Order: sequence, then structure tokens, then C-alpha cells
Amino acid sequence: EPEVTQTPSHQVTQMGQEVILRCVPISNHLYFYWYRQILGQKVEFLVSFYNNEISEKSEIFDDQFSVERPDGSNFTLKIRSTKLEDSAMYFCASSGWPEELFFGSGTQLSVL
Amino acid sequence: GIQVEQSPPDLILQEGANSTLRCNFSDSVNNLQWFHQNPWGQLINLFYIPSGTKQNGRLSATTVATERYSLLYISSSQTTDSGVYFCAVESAPLVFGKGTRLSVIA
Repeated sequence: EPEVTQTPSHQVTQMGQEVILRCVPISNHLYFYWYRQILGQKVEFLVSFYNNEISEKSEIFDDQFSVERPDGSNFTLKIRSTKLEDSAMYFCASSGWPEELFFGSGTQLSVL
Repeated sequence: GIQVEQSPPDLILQEGANSTLRCNFSDSVNNLQWFHQNPWGQLINLFYIPSGTKQNGRLSATTVATERYSLLYISSSQTTDSGVYFCAVESAPLVFGKGTRLSVIA
């Protein structure tokens, strides 16, 4: 069964460093998303991406965040200068024509 | 934006018991999904159910879109059912509720 793949599963970084989280969406999907979940809290929407551009973003997705689809298979989330409060589980998701979303297993980001 | 409320927030069950989890939402939606977040943090798709009723083994779900709620039924619960159950609704984008934390004890 096709699945969304995320790497790395865990990432530890120092405050102020840049991190790139990687995702390989399901191959025939057109819509891509990043969500995050701070420990013990609900899953929050960050950004959606369609047709090589951002279609929607939340207030959380400020100038330190960016997304890219560098090739036909990968979808990345970059955090330019990490802060302590960026520590969270980051989930990538994909869907076909707006319908069921499928999530990856997440990247646990720890900012020290 | 759309509001999603789940109840109860916490639930403890004896193995073998049945339960009903509820999700209320404040506006009409194009998509409603139920997820199980397991102890490893993975979000497992349970149902894509913007309306109607679906069943998958011991789990079933019903969404009454006109009344803006959805129910998730778990029958004959097992310890592996433990985790957090999220309802998520889409009014572009998919918005999650706070979840129901289920603990099934042997």
C-alpha cells in the first residue's frame, strides 16, 4: 500500500540553526501539507501546497518557514532559524483531488 | 474558522467494553476523517466519512452532516486500541479536534 515517507524520524538541532524536513508524498497525489503537533497538544495546520505553490498557510507559518518541491517526488519544510518553541512532531500529508489525507509517520524535532 | 469539539476528552475502558466518541463541528464541511494516534505518535487513518456510515471490523463511524456531528464506535475494545482518537474536518484546510485519549485496561 502506498504511503507517505518522512525523514529523518528524529532531528536534534541547536537554537538558531536551519533544519530541513523531508517528505515523499504518495506518488499520484497532487496536494501536499505540513502539520505540527507540540507534545500533548492537538495537530495544527501549517501549510498546503498545490501546483508548485502555497495554496494556504496558517499564522504559525511565518517568514522563518518555507516549503519546496525540489523535484517530482520530494516535498520539504525548511525552518531557517529554529527556536525552542519549534520543538514538535512535524507531519507531512498528501491527498488526491481534495479528499482523504494520508499522513507520514512524522519527524520529531527537538531544538536545544 | 471552523470549530471542532471532541468528547469525552479522556476515557478509560475495561477490555471488551464498547464506547462511543463524539465529534461536533461548527460549520458545513467537505471532508471528515477519524484518526488513531498510536503510542509511537503515528496518525493512522480510520475513516474518511464526510457523511453516512462506514464499518471496519470492530470500528464503525457515522457522520450526520446536516446536524454537524460524527460518532466513532469501538466495540469489544482491546488494549491495542489505546491512544488518542482525533476527528478532523475540512473547510480548507483539515482542522483537528483536541482528541479523545482512550486507555483500555486488561
